[in-house]
Amino acid sequence: EAQVTQNPRYLITVTGKKLTVTCSQNMNHEYMSWYRQDPGLGLRQIYYSMNVEVTDKGDVPEGYKVSRKEKRNFPLILESPSPNQTSLYFCASSPRPGLAGPHNEQFFGPGTRLTVL
Amino acid sequence: AQKITQTQPGMFVQEKEAVTLDCTYDTSDPSYGLFWYKQPSSGEMIFLIYQGSYDQQNATEGRYSLNFQKARKSANLVISASQLGDSAMYFCAMREGNNAGNMLTFGGGTRLMVKP
Repeated sequence: EAQVTQNPRYLITVTGKKLTVTCSQNMNHEYMSWYRQDPGLGLRQIYYSMNVEVTDKGDVPEGYKVSRKEKRNFPLILESPSPNQTSLYFCASSPRPGLAGPHNEQFFGPGTRLTVL
Repeated sequence: AQKITQTQPGMFVQEKEAVTLDCTYDTSDPSYGLFWYKQPSSGEMIFLIYQGSYDQQNATEGRYSLNFQKARKSANLVISASQLGDSAMYFCAMREGNNAGNMLTFGGGTRLMVKP
């Protein structure tokens, strides 16, 4: 089954304790992205990757790191989490960058709910 | 300025009636795409419908249709014959043509509640 998976789905942690949220897709998509969702703000892009070893900042990159060593994986790293990073995080992938109509829609993972105390 | 505006934080609709969820957007790019996603209480994002800026006709997908008014920069989602399972958050999103990052810009969402 074609899908984007994220782990963990739920995480409660404390300020300053490094954590990684994994994201994996099995569709051979070139493009992957991380979003965070906060009430009233919709989803905002954190980082994206157009292909292996190619990453760039989205709208809200502060406090996050990413890496893309393999095509299928795109982990999100919080080196020193803070309470303002409490949010719902989504990983997404799509076949290729650029505008190409609905066939380039982004497939979203199930989400990771993170709480930083 | 907000690129995507959804002015209805919450809405009620009676089961089996139609409902329109509003979305206005702001872009100077002539090439763009508009998306609607549904987010049920379980949290996943479900793609519903897409409208391209050059599409001549309004998009339709089953009970979903998009009322695309380009001059007004609006892309309202119409759900016909509402069902209880339509209760969810709905997000309007846009991708602009010169967006190398393939980024979707989302509105704040509308929570739809379907009454039995």
